[in-house]
Parts: sequence; C-alpha cells; structure tokens
Amino acid sequence: AQTVTQSQPEMSVQEAETVTLSCTYDTSENNYYLFWYKQPPSRQMILVIRQEAYKQQNATENRFSVNFQKAAKSFSLKISDSQLGDTAMYFCAFRASGTYKYIFGTGTRLKVLA
Amino acid sequence: AAGVIQSPRHLIKEKRETATLKCYPIPRHDTVYWYQQGPGQDPQFLISFYEKMQSDKGSIPDRFSAQQFSDYHSELNMSSLELGDSALYFCASSLDRAPEAFFGQGTRLTVV
Repeated sequence: AQTVTQSQPEMSVQEAETVTLSCTYDTSENNYYLFWYKQPPSRQMILVIRQEAYKQQNATENRFSVNFQKAAKSFSLKISDSQLGDTAMYFCAFRASGTYKYIFGTGTRLKVLA
Repeated sequence: AAGVIQSPRHLIKEKRETATLKCYPIPRHDTVYWYQQGPGQDPQFLISFYEKMQSDKGSIPDRFSAQQFSDYHSELNMSSLELGDSALYFCASSLDRAPEAFFGQGTRLTVV
C-alpha cells in the first residue's frame, strides 16, 4: 500500500521570501505521479504542480518548483517570492500509473505574513 | 475553461435520510473520482469510474453507492445518513491518458 507523509502541519513565511514544504511517500511501484494541490480558505482544491516519476528533471510552474528525489522517495515543493494569496493548505498526492485513485498526505497549512 | 461542476453546493439532511450528490466532469474527461473530506482532514478516496465502469474503490461505506452515466456525469447516493457523514464531498475528473485530476468546488453535506 502506498502512503504519503507530510511532517509539517503548519508553516509560515514572510511575503516575498521562499519556503519549502516537505513530502515523503512510500511505494513499491516504479511508475507513478506526484502532485501538489493547494486548498485555500474557499476549500477549492487547485492543482499546483505535477511530476512524473520517470522524469529526472524537476517540474517548475512559475514561482512553484519541486525537488524530486526518487531514491529517497521525497517530493518537496518550493514556493519562491511568496504572496499573500499563497496562504492555503497544501496537500501532496500520489497516483500509481494504471490506477484510478489519488492518495493524499495530511497537508501543511501555510500562512504568508505581510 | 470549463471546470468540474458539483451540485448542490450545500445540503442539509436529517439522520437516516438519503442524499444524492451530482458531478459533471470537464468535457471529454472520462474518469470521475469521489472524495470525502472531514473538517481538518485530508481528502479520503471513496470510489472512481472510468468509462462508466467502477475502476477503483476506497473506504466507501456500504450505505453509499455511485455510478457514472452515459454522458459521463456521476452521482453519489448516500442512504441512512449519520452525523459522521457530515463533510465536504469532492468530485474530480481526469482524462485517462493524463495523470492529473481536476476538482470541483465540493458539496458541503451537513447531517443534523
């Protein structure tokens, strides 16, 4: 069975600074996908970034980038130039290739301070 | 761009009543997922459908059932509601060949 662990329940960062959220996972699968989703106070789940396990290059989407370490089963999210609108709960998620379910971590609540 | 549509957005039911939640996926998406998120919890996978067939099953109570229809919309039927069923219910959709799922805004179910 796959598991996703987010060990930081809460974090805060000053506006314009950089913050890194951690995620580790456990799987015996070789082909899978990893995601970061953002859930602001509206509780809408918004896809932030995705990473395919077969790709060595780390994914980047504007101010969001990941550090994917397949051997260590680690998938951290870096937010650069943090903005007040980044305040949200961030969930790390895993999907094994060929399956139809996403497994979520317990989330990290990020607060961006003005 | 079109998103996943869920209805209703809010629902209040009494214990032992029945509720039906509806989900309309993004056009051309063939896979639908249902998740339950309790207060302060992470989303828990209930069930998914690919091309109108159940594709995966999670921790869905026997009191709940779901299906995906010919137009790809999906319904989650919940019977004999309990107080503990109060939660935010998300539907998500994806294209089979694409790995990411897109979520609707959720249906907030309150059982009183």
